[in-house]
Amino acid sequence: GNSVTQMEGPVTLSEEAFLTINCTYTATGYPSLFWYVQYPGEGLQLLLKATKADDKGSNKGFEATYRKETTSFHLEKGSVQVSDSAVYFCALYDNQGGKLIFGQGTELSVKP
Amino acid sequence: KAGVTQTPRYLIKTRGQQVTLSCSPISGHRSVSWYQQTPGQGLQFLFEYFSETQRNKGNFPGRFSGRQFSNSRSEMNVSTLELGDSALYLCASSPGTGGLYEQYFGPGTRLTVT
Repeated sequence: GNSVTQMEGPVTLSEEAFLTINCTYTATGYPSLFWYVQYPGEGLQLLLKATKADDKGSNKGFEATYRKETTSFHLEKGSVQVSDSAVYFCALYDNQGGKLIFGQGTELSVKP
Repeated sequence: KAGVTQTPRYLIKTRGQQVTLSCSPISGHRSVSWYQQTPGQGLQFLFEYFSETQRNKGNFPGRFSGRQFSNSRSEMNVSTLELGDSALYLCASSPGTGGLYEQYFGPGTRLTVT
């Protein structure tokens, strides 16, 4: 079945460092891909999405490119801030099951 | 537009009891999905409702049920609560159903079963 694998956390960075959170997927066909962010005590916020191969999603300085050759959708940001500290989830939309399938989440901690 | 709202935000119940959680989607959204979030299992899909019909269902026992009303508001019910049902229950609304539509999540209901 379809699945999503994320790099394990926690990831600890200094402010203004470069961020990469790896995400790979296994799926039939070419599902839509998403990154969500969850701040402590809150629900999930959609960060960005890509619906077809080679699409680049971007928002708030975060970017991710849909790579079908490597079945990856890595999240990047050039300069992280303390306020980016949160848990990040990669997800794909399973068309057959009509649902989002999430990775296990990667906790990011940014120190001043 | 107001976001997705969920009530109550926190609940404490005893094993064997039942509970009903409520979700109000973003105005104009017709699809509502429910997810369970636990530290051990992560985020798992419960079910999706679109125009008052259950379209998809996850791999959960029959104790978990839901419904959607004509105004798109949705409720989920868990009967005969077990300790393992302690979780954050998240509701997501979407304008339509399918991968081209974005799902917007509410803040969740934190259920604790003692």
